[in-house]
Amino acid sequence: TQLLEQSPQFLSIQEGENLTVYCNSSSVFSSLQWYRQEPGEGPVLLVTVVTGGEVKKLKRLTFQFGDARKDSSLHITAAQPGDTGLYLCAGAETSGSRLTFGEGTQLTVNP
Amino acid sequence: DTAVSQTPKYLVTQMGNDKSIKCEQNLGHDTMYWYKQDSKKFLKIMFSYNNKELIINETVPNRFSPKSPDKAHLNLHINSLELGDSAVYFCASSQVRGGSPLHFGNGTRLTVT
Repeated sequence: TQLLEQSPQFLSIQEGENLTVYCNSSSVFSSLQWYRQEPGEGPVLLVTVVTGGEVKKLKRLTFQFGDARKDSSLHITAAQPGDTGLYLCAGAETSGSRLTFGEGTQLTVNP
Repeated sequence: DTAVSQTPKYLVTQMGNDKSIKCEQNLGHDTMYWYKQDSKKFLKIMFSYNNKELIINETVPNRFSPKSPDKAHLNLHINSLELGDSAVYFCASSQVRGGSPLHFGNGTRLTVT
């Protein structure tokens, strides 16, 4: 099983600040997905990145897949309280057998 | 018209009991999963079924037994519950097997006392 390390584990910021969450591995993934989970609910897919170097934007969220397809980042601009939640990255193993999840980043945006 | 629904939402039971969690998806997906999320929020795969066939069976105690009567349903039966089984269990589905994006249910919080 390929491993994914996510950082930081916890992040508490004020509304309006910017932040970046990182997802790193020593292994290559065929694609990488980002999910957000809110309390009492299951994770919900935000985006999938497939190509090395790919950048995708979802309103104030920017997702990047590393050139070597070993790492990814999520950048949030001007964070809002509604962005509060657990952010999970998940890599699709090159063997094609499964997704491996990172440990998650618990983001709290204070008004 | 919930896509992936699992019941019950909460399950409180005593050690040694047997319990089941049910899951159904109406997305027409081929593959279904059970994940366990521990107190540190780490999501770990337990089982995966593709068209009713078991394709992933992680190192899970054999007290846990999945059953897939058809490709829209994947249930999880747990025998002789232990304190360490307390966690949130998520059912998920994906269009195809492998690294396809997952659609999760809202979880079942199991508490063993």
